[in-house]
Amino acid sequence: ELKVEQNPLFLSMQEGKNYTIYCNYSTTSDRLYWYRQDPGKSLESLFVLLSNGAVKQEGRLMASLDTKARLSTLHITAAVHDLSATYFCAVDKETSGSRLTFGEGTQLTVNP
Amino acid sequence: DGGITQSPKYLFRKEGQNVTLSCEQNLNHDAMYWYRQDPGQGLRLIYYSQIVNDFQKGDIAEGYSVSREKKESFPLTVTSAQKNPTAFYLCASSIVSAARDEQFFGPGTRLTVL
Repeated sequence: ELKVEQNPLFLSMQEGKNYTIYCNYSTTSDRLYWYRQDPGKSLESLFVLLSNGAVKQEGRLMASLDTKARLSTLHITAAVHDLSATYFCAVDKETSGSRLTFGEGTQLTVNP
Repeated sequence: DGGITQSPKYLFRKEGQNVTLSCEQNLNHDAMYWYRQDPGQGLRLIYYSQIVNDFQKGDIAEGYSVSREKKESFPLTVTSAQKNPTAFYLCASSIVSAARDEQFFGPGTRLTVL
């Protein structure tokens, strides 16, 4: 059974600081996704990582994938209040199509 | 505008009732999915369908049923057999491709059992 673990589950940080969210998974996969969820809202796709060593950046967020270590990271640079949300990683365990297993989510609060 | 719509936004159910949640997409995606989210938790897959008239159980299918009669539509019925149905339900869709099959999510339906 595929397990996806995120840490930390709760993160409170000050504006301007850097931090990293970690996503570990238990079985081989080379496809990993990061999503953002605002309170009471749906999920917004942030990054799609499709191969070992993939790195993608959008604004203050950068995601990477190490399939050998079964680890993805979401790095936040110089955090701003607008980044406050819950961030989920999801791993695809199928070789075609898509069947995602989600982590529990990391609730990020950025304080002024 | 292309997208995924879910209705209703809020739904209240009495114990013992079946209720149906609607999901429609006009993205021309082949695959559609239903997830359940409980407070403070991640999403869990209920059912998914990669082609019309075919669907597969996900990780928590008991007490739920689906149909896929049209490519655009994937309704979810929460039956009385689902003992704890209060949750946030999200529908998603994707193309079916080995290269890229990112899932896009609808706005969700919040179901409450009275």
